[in-house]
Amino acid sequence: DAKTTQPNSMESNEEEPVHLPCNHSTISGTDYIHWYRQLPSQGPEYVIHGLTSNVNNRMASLAIAEDRKSSTLILHRATLRDAAVYYCILRDVGGKLIFGQGTELSVKP
Amino acid sequence: NAGVTQTPKFQVLKTGQSMTLQCAQDMNHEYMSWYRQDPGMGLRLIHYSVGAGITDQGEVPNGYNVSRSTTEDFPLRLLSAAPSQTSVYFCATYPYRVHYYEQYFGPGTRLTVT
Repeated sequence: DAKTTQPNSMESNEEEPVHLPCNHSTISGTDYIHWYRQLPSQGPEYVIHGLTSNVNNRMASLAIAEDRKSSTLILHRATLRDAAVYYCILRDVGGKLIFGQGTELSVKP
Repeated sequence: NAGVTQTPKFQVLKTGQSMTLQCAQDMNHEYMSWYRQDPGMGLRLIHYSVGAGITDQGEVPNGYNVSRSTTEDFPLRLLSAAPSQTSVYFCATYPYRVHYYEQYFGPGTRLTVT
């Protein structure tokens, strides 16, 4: 299973944009890039996913590098409720999610 | 529509005891899986199933058994609990044929083995 590398922690100010990076240099052509987040004392929840093109949804945007070896999750205006651990995961056709350590995002008021 | 439910929410076991963690879903999803999360760590895959009657091992299967007799249920059995199995256990599901689809996670079972 291909692995991802993320910073252990990041800080943001409320109402400012946040860019969460992820490196996945061993990604294969069929791997989807998925992002999940885990709020304190809750199960993970889906944020966004993409294959090659940039993606937007109501929660966030996903920017994927042209060579697919890295991606960035963008929260356009961080709120206190966005404080969570964010996981970048490469998902193969079998569907298994292999979690790494994730990035712990703290948001300051 | 309850989504993914897990019971119990909390459990304390003594070393050597056995128990079954329950996971049920009402979304008719073929794929179900179990993860464990130790304090300060990411989730690790224990076992998964792509449909009734089919199960396979994940990253950390030792000490756990699973079976899948129905689409709705995927119980996780601890045969002889050990303190190293103290963790939070999450169940997750998704419609297997749409392999890029989001996975839905249950609220978790917090297990302590003394």
